[in-house]
Amino acid sequence: AQSVTQPDIHITVSEGASLELRCNYSYGATPYLFWYVQSPGQGLQLLLKYFSGDTLVQGIKGFEAEFKRSQSSFNLRKPSVHWSDAAEYFCAVGARGGKLIFGQGTELSVKP
Amino acid sequence: SQTIHQWPATLVQPVGSPLSLECTVEGTSNPNLYWYRQAAGRGLQLLFYSVGIGQISSEVPQNLSASRPQDRQFILSSKKLLLSDSGFYLCAWNPWTGGTEAFFGQGTRLTVV
Repeated sequence: AQSVTQPDIHITVSEGASLELRCNYSYGATPYLFWYVQSPGQGLQLLLKYFSGDTLVQGIKGFEAEFKRSQSSFNLRKPSVHWSDAAEYFCAVGARGGKLIFGQGTELSVKP
Repeated sequence: SQTIHQWPATLVQPVGSPLSLECTVEGTSNPNLYWYRQAAGRGLQLLFYSVGIGQISSEVPQNLSASRPQDRQFILSSKKLLLSDSGFYLCAWNPWTGGTEAFFGQGTRLTVV
């Protein structure tokens, strides 16, 4: 069965520091992979997606993610975090029929 | 362009009362439609999805039901709410062809008291 694991429930980083959020997936075929961000009380906004091709994908707000098939990972990175990046981040894999299977989410706090 | 509307934004309901949450999509035809629930610390759980009018698939057994009376309308219902139904409910859509990201509404915060 498809599944997504985000091992870090909560991460705190200092403003200006680099960020890496981890995501591991389980899927039988080549996956469609996504990262979403959610501000408190809001819906989800797509940050970036991987379907095929270049394994390093660029997204909005300066985020990037790298697909590593050998590690079943799709980690999200940002070189310099801004206070406005504080939010909850969800990794997801696209399953049959267009459904998305989400990880548990990682809450990001940013220290000034 | 496509837009998704979900209402109400917040709702406080007593235990045992009925529920109706509505979601509509504009600017596309025959979308796949989804209801997700987000409980505190538990990520997003897919509750229902629909690939067409009257076609509903349930992902988890629960106190809720879904209906799709029109192509771009998706309704989440309950006859009698339980305390455990509290949470943040999100409607989403993607094209019927699949293989793309899903687009989410702004969510409904349901508190059952």
